[in-house]
Amino acid sequence: SQTIHQWPATLVQPVGSPLSLECTVEGTSNPNLYWYRQAAGRGLQLLFYSVGIGQISSEVPQNLSASRPQDRQFILSSKKLLLSDSGFYLCAWRLQGAVEAFFGQGTRLTVV
Amino acid sequence: DQQVKQNSPSLSVQEGRISILNCDYTNSMFDYFLWYKKYPAEGPTFLISISSIKDKNEDGRFTVFLNKSAKHLSLHIVPSQPGDSAVYFCAAEKTDKLIFGTGTRLQVFP
Repeated sequence: SQTIHQWPATLVQPVGSPLSLECTVEGTSNPNLYWYRQAAGRGLQLLFYSVGIGQISSEVPQNLSASRPQDRQFILSSKKLLLSDSGFYLCAWRLQGAVEAFFGQGTRLTVV
Repeated sequence: DQQVKQNSPSLSVQEGRISILNCDYTNSMFDYFLWYKKYPAEGPTFLISISSIKDKNEDGRFTVFLNKSAKHLSLHIVPSQPGDSAVYFCAAEKTDKLIFGTGTRLQVFP
């Protein structure tokens, strides 16, 4: 069966520090991968998605970047965090051609 | 621009009654619409979906209705249970992109 791992669960980082959040999927190959952010009082904002290794589509120009170095690995990064980067970050995967997407447990990021 | 909108931030319903959650969209090119349920500090879980060529899909207590002319979909939960209390997100899919609405917090009280 397929599983998705996202870590860490919580993270407190100072302003200006770098960020690296990792997401891996097991039990499938060539999935579509997604990064979302849920900010306080807001919905799920699509940040990046990828349909294959090295293929990244950015939805929102901002202080973040994403990479997909391996088929089932998706990384969200920042060189210098801003206070506005605080939020709940979610990784998701979906089989290509399928409808349903599956989410990880999320990372609560607080920038102080 | 918000392509998928949920205009009601919250809804309170008595146990056993019907819960109706609404969602509007602006892009008529979406292929599928989905509903997800989310508890605090967890990832959303899939509930039900509907193709853009259908107008209704039912799965147990959950029914989704799609009105393409109005660009509107709704999720009906009958009967509502206290365990249904959560935030519900509608989502729309087009060419690998999955776009979510802002969510509606449902509270089911005894």
